[in-house]
Amino acid sequence: EAQVTQNPRYLITVTGKKLTVTCSQNMNHEYMSWYRQDPGLGLRQIYYSMNVEVTDKGDVPEGYKVSRKEKRNFPLILESPSPNQTSLYFCASSFLLGGANVLTFGAGSRLTVL
Amino acid sequence: QKEVEQNSGPLSVPEGAIASLNCTYSDRGSQSFFWYRQYSGKSPELIMFIYSNGDKEDGRFTAQLNKASQYVSLLIRDSQPSDSATYLCAANSGNTPLVFGKGTRLSVIA
Repeated sequence: EAQVTQNPRYLITVTGKKLTVTCSQNMNHEYMSWYRQDPGLGLRQIYYSMNVEVTDKGDVPEGYKVSRKEKRNFPLILESPSPNQTSLYFCASSFLLGGANVLTFGAGSRLTVL
Repeated sequence: QKEVEQNSGPLSVPEGAIASLNCTYSDRGSQSFFWYRQYSGKSPELIMFIYSNGDKEDGRFTAQLNKASQYVSLLIRDSQPSDSATYLCAANSGNTPLVFGKGTRLSVIA
């Protein structure tokens, strides 16, 4: 089954404790991205990657790191989480269809930073 | 700053009616436009996308694009309670990142 898999789905952590949210896709998509979703603010892009070893900042990259060493994986790293990073995170991968960049989202990871 | 604007709602329609969801975008260079549906606590799911002026139909859904007015809409015919969700409009050009609106919450009343 074609899918984007994120782990963990739920996480409660404390300020300053490094964490990684993994993302993997099995569709051989070149483009992957991370979003966070907060009430009243909608979906905001954190980082994206157009291919292996190619990453770029989105709208809200502060406090996050990413890497793209393999095509299928795109982990999101919070080196020193803070309470303002409490949010619902989505990983997505995408392909071009008729010129349109069509995203498929993972199930989401709900992160709480105390 | 590229922006996509949507009315947050809630938009309430009776079961069986047509729901009309609207979206405007600021970047005239936008080429592709998407509608995603998101149930509470779930991930967005693609409903359809459009990149040519006019209408595009898929089952009960019709997307409409007017590039001159920088306006995109989604019509849902014969609305069902299961259509109650938040609908996200998004736009981009080529392989650039999608810009999402904040979503319109639709409530279909049985």
